[in-house]
Amino acid sequence: AQKVTQAQTEISVVEKEDVTLDCVYETRDTTYYLFWYKQPPSGELVFLIRRNSFDEQNEISGRYSWNFQKSTSSFNFTITASQVVDSAVYFCALSELRDDKIIFGKGTRLHILP
Amino acid sequence: DAEITQSPRHKITETGRQVTLACHQTWNHNNMFWYRQDLGHGLRLIHYSYGVQDTNKGEVSDGYSVSRSNTEDLPLTLESAASSQTSVYFCASSDGTGSSYEQYFGPGTRLTVT
Repeated sequence: AQKVTQAQTEISVVEKEDVTLDCVYETRDTTYYLFWYKQPPSGELVFLIRRNSFDEQNEISGRYSWNFQKSTSSFNFTITASQVVDSAVYFCALSELRDDKIIFGKGTRLHILP
Repeated sequence: DAEITQSPRHKITETGRQVTLACHQTWNHNNMFWYRQDLGHGLRLIHYSYGVQDTNKGEVSDGYSVSRSNTEDLPLTLESAASSQTSVYFCASSDGTGSSYEQYFGPGTRLTVT
């Protein structure tokens, strides 16, 4: 069965520090998709990134970067030079091609302190 | 602009009553999903649909039902509301086939069952 673990329930860092959010997944499928979503204090859920299991290239988008490692079943998310606006709950999610359902992790609440 | 809307945004109801939460998307997406969000549980999938007349049970489907009569709408019905169904409910939609693509979420409905 598929599973997503976000072991960090809550993280606090001071503004301008770098922070990494961990995501570990379990799947028996060889084709799967990984996602990150952001939920700011206003409550809406915002898509950040999608990655398929055949593409292990790391991705950078501005201050955001993602490190996908199949060897450790991890898809970690790093925010560089964090800002107060990055304060949110971040969810990692997994979708297996075979099972065709998406499973979300329980989320990591990130506090960026001014 | 295309969007996904939910109504009502807030609802208070009594135990035992039938409640229907509406979800409407204008992206013409095939796939629509209903989640509930509870503290400590993250997002849990209730029901999903991959096209008109298609509905499937998710992780926590007991006590809920959906129907898909057109592309734009996926109403969620609580047959007999229970206090355990007090939660924030999110609807989402996605393009493509199945759950492999990023989902776009509605603003959420906060439901309180007294």
